[in-house]
Amino acid sequence: AQSVSQHNHHVILSEAASLELGCNYSYGGTVNLFWYVQYPGQHLQLLLKYFSGDPLVKGIKGFEAEFIKSKFSFNLRKPSVQWSDTAEYFCAVNPLYNQGGKLIFGQGTELSVKP
Amino acid sequence: DAGVIQSPRHEVTEMGQEVTLRCKPISGHNSLFWYRQTMMRGLELLIYFNNNVPIDDSGMPEDRFSAKMPNASFSTLKIQPSEPRDSAVYFCASTRTSGSNEQFFGPGTRLTVL
Repeated sequence: AQSVSQHNHHVILSEAASLELGCNYSYGGTVNLFWYVQYPGQHLQLLLKYFSGDPLVKGIKGFEAEFIKSKFSFNLRKPSVQWSDTAEYFCAVNPLYNQGGKLIFGQGTELSVKP
Repeated sequence: DAGVIQSPRHEVTEMGQEVTLRCKPISGHNSLFWYRQTMMRGLELLIYFNNNVPIDDSGMPEDRFSAKMPNASFSTLKIQPSEPRDSAVYFCASTRTSGSNEQFFGPGTRLTVL
């Protein structure tokens, strides 16, 4: 079945620690890839996206993600997290054969950053 | 651009009542998505429309739920009759499928069924 897997359900870090959140998907064709962030009590907002070209994508607030096609992965990274990064992070995949722009979301990773 | 607009932002109702949630997508977007988010089940896609036509409603939990998109600028999600287990945050999102397929989310409607 088509799926997106996020390896960590809940990650707890101290400020200034480095972050890497894993994301793997199970589609063999061409895909668009996204990371969304949901701050407490808010809606999902786009953090970064990959369509083509350089597999290392830079997003807002110092986040970046690397697309590794051979591993079907799109991991999110940040070298030094801040307390304000506390949020839930969702990886999403858009298989381009899908009609209507449907995204397949992972189950989300909750990040808690301790001050 | 005002972004995706949802109303109401909060709804408290009693079990058995009809609930209607509303969504206005971003102008020019041709796909619209309804999601439900709960602590227990996470983010679930309920239904989505492309060019006002329902494409996939397999996520709609049961016949009590229905959704319509009468035109490109308006959609409703109706629950009748509502039950306490329907309590959740309901998000609407839209995208333009000729572009990046990035979905833009509305602020959500927090529904509480007593």
